[in-house]
Amino acid sequence: QKEVEQDPGPLSVPEGAIVSLNCTYSNSAFQYFMWYRQYSRKGPELLMYTYSSGNKEDGRFTAQVDKSSKYISLFIRDSQPSDSATYLCATRNYGGSQGNLIFGKGTKLSVKP
Amino acid sequence: DADVTQTPRNRITKTGKRIMLECSQTKGHDRMYWYRQDPGLGLRLIYYSFDVKDINKGEISDGYSVSRQAQAKFSLSLESAIPNQTALYFCATSRGETQYFGPGTRLLVL
Repeated sequence: QKEVEQDPGPLSVPEGAIVSLNCTYSNSAFQYFMWYRQYSRKGPELLMYTYSSGNKEDGRFTAQVDKSSKYISLFIRDSQPSDSATYLCATRNYGGSQGNLIFGKGTKLSVKP
Repeated sequence: DADVTQTPRNRITKTGKRIMLECSQTKGHDRMYWYRQDPGLGLRLIYYSFDVKDINKGEISDGYSVSRQAQAKFSLSLESAIPNQTALYFCATSRGETQYFGPGTRLLVL
């Protein structure tokens, strides 16, 4: 079992929909959780970062971590065509180096006008 | 100007050839990374460096080598390229929990 599992999609939604993107992980030592967004033919860029459990909100985006079920989510409200991209979850354990950042395979999202 | 640059952006080479991918950054970060991205496999770490004298193997270092020429420069070499090294290669830097990625190099090994 890979340490981080993510459904690759693709996921297609109409503009204005609420999008839910999810990952599961296997190592309970993971403490840092990130979401990266990657547009076509570009490098990934950090979208959201959370430490341990709980929610974090930034505009239309909410990152949620449930450590009891080892489940991480990214919610996008009022989705826009400009949100069309691949979304990658990433995680690492407390005290681990940045070299131990583990990425999911990414979910490709398409928001239709 | 981009903070993390990669050259070349696209490269076609033949099996057995030695090639070098270069990465430069103007962000002043000490930490640099090389990843490859494959469809269905996601991003995988090849090598990482926390400063000029610190080089570490990542998940998939076999067949690759790196050189950290300066704080701002980190090169990835394929000593003898093989077709399954065909992939999209990304360089990244980091400070804190954020990694900053370059635009990628698309490599095709025939």
